[in-house]
Amino acid sequence: EPEVTQTPSHQVTQMGQEVILRCVPISNHLYFYWYRQILGQKVEFLVSFYNNEISEKSEIFDDQFSVERPDGSNFTLKIRSTKLEDSAMYFCASTGAYEQYFGPGTRLTVT
Amino acid sequence: KNEVEQSPQNLTAQEGEFITINCSYSVGISALHWLQQHPGGGIVSLFMLSSGKKKHGRLIATINIQEKHSSLHITASHPRDSAVYICAVRAEDTGNQFYFGTGTSLTVIP
Repeated sequence: EPEVTQTPSHQVTQMGQEVILRCVPISNHLYFYWYRQILGQKVEFLVSFYNNEISEKSEIFDDQFSVERPDGSNFTLKIRSTKLEDSAMYFCASTGAYEQYFGPGTRLTVT
Repeated sequence: KNEVEQSPQNLTAQEGEFITINCSYSVGISALHWLQQHPGGGIVSLFMLSSGKKKHGRLIATINIQEKHSSLHITASHPRDSAVYICAVRAEDTGNQFYFGTGTSLTVIP
């Protein structure tokens, strides 16, 4: 069965550092998403991406965040200067005809 | 402001019981998703609904668009059903933005 993959599974970084979270969506999917889940809280939408551009973004997705599809397979989320409050699980997802397929997540810890 | 409300927040059931989890939402939607989040954190999509009812094994999901309400039912519950169940809606006016409920934590006791 096709799956969304994410790397790394866990990233520890110091405050102020840049991080790049990587995702490989399912190959024939067209819509891609990033979500985050702060420990103990609900999942929050960050951004959706279609046709090589952002189609929607939430208030959380400020200038510190960017997304890119640098080649035909990878989909990345960059946080330019991490803050303590960026510590969370970050999920990538892609959508086919009906359902969303979620990756296993990257746990980001900012110290 | 919570666009998506779920109830109950926590649910404990005996194995074999019939379980219902409810989701109400306040925005116009193009689709509603039921998701399952395992204790390790992974998220699995169970259903995507835009109308009516869907069934997959012991799981049934229904949606009433007029009442802005959806239910997830689990028949003959089993301890392996223990997980957090999350309702998420794709808002109609922002085509690809999703709003998530806080989840219902289900524990099924043998």
